[in-house]
Amino acid sequence: GENVEQHPSTLSVQEGDSAVIKCTYSDSASNYFPWYKQELGKRPQLIIDIRSNVGEKKDQRIAVTLNKTAKHFSLHITETQPEDSAVYFCAARGRDDKIIFGKGTRLHILP
Amino acid sequence: DAGVIQSPRHEVTEMGQEVTLRCKPISGHDYLFWYRQTMMRGLELLIYFNNNVPIDDSGMPEDRFSAKMPNASFSTLKIQPSEPRDSAVYFCASSAPGGGRGTQYFGPGTRLLVL
Repeated sequence: GENVEQHPSTLSVQEGDSAVIKCTYSDSASNYFPWYKQELGKRPQLIIDIRSNVGEKKDQRIAVTLNKTAKHFSLHITETQPEDSAVYFCAARGRDDKIIFGKGTRLHILP
Repeated sequence: DAGVIQSPRHEVTEMGQEVTLRCKPISGHDYLFWYRQTMMRGLELLIYFNNNVPIDDSGMPEDRFSAKMPNASFSTLKIQPSEPRDSAVYFCASSAPGGGRGTQYFGPGTRLLVL
């Protein structure tokens, strides 16, 4: 089955700087890669996703890139703001149709 | 739409007791997922259903856990008997048919504490 590795587990960046979270996956047949944001005490919520026929996708300050050859994908947040502080999860949908989540990255935005 | 609904939101019980968690998916969604979240293990998929049929229960930790989906608008996750190590937040999520299958909408979760 699919296996998703996520790094780093914790990330601190100065407000206004960029944050990058990286994930790798194992199943070359995986074709859908969502990213979820979970604020403290809240549910995970989808913030952006990318399909395997696309290399990059942007939504305002958030972008995701996908390298199918290397089997890795990344989340980029530019001009970080205090409200970006949360846990971010990457995920991949493998050939068995299951969504497998990474372990999460706790992002701290420093004032 | 009210989104995915879970009940109860909090549950405190004693070891050995039966616990039943409930979920109502978003109307029209044909996939339903149960997850468990802990600090140590992260977000784990326990089981998922498609059109009320269990598709993969390989994530269910042991026989003490069982899940049912008697109809398209209701699912339960039962733990019997419960143990302290079952303490976690349990999320239910649903997703729509077709291309939206990967976009999951999570409920607010049930925070379970087994003493």
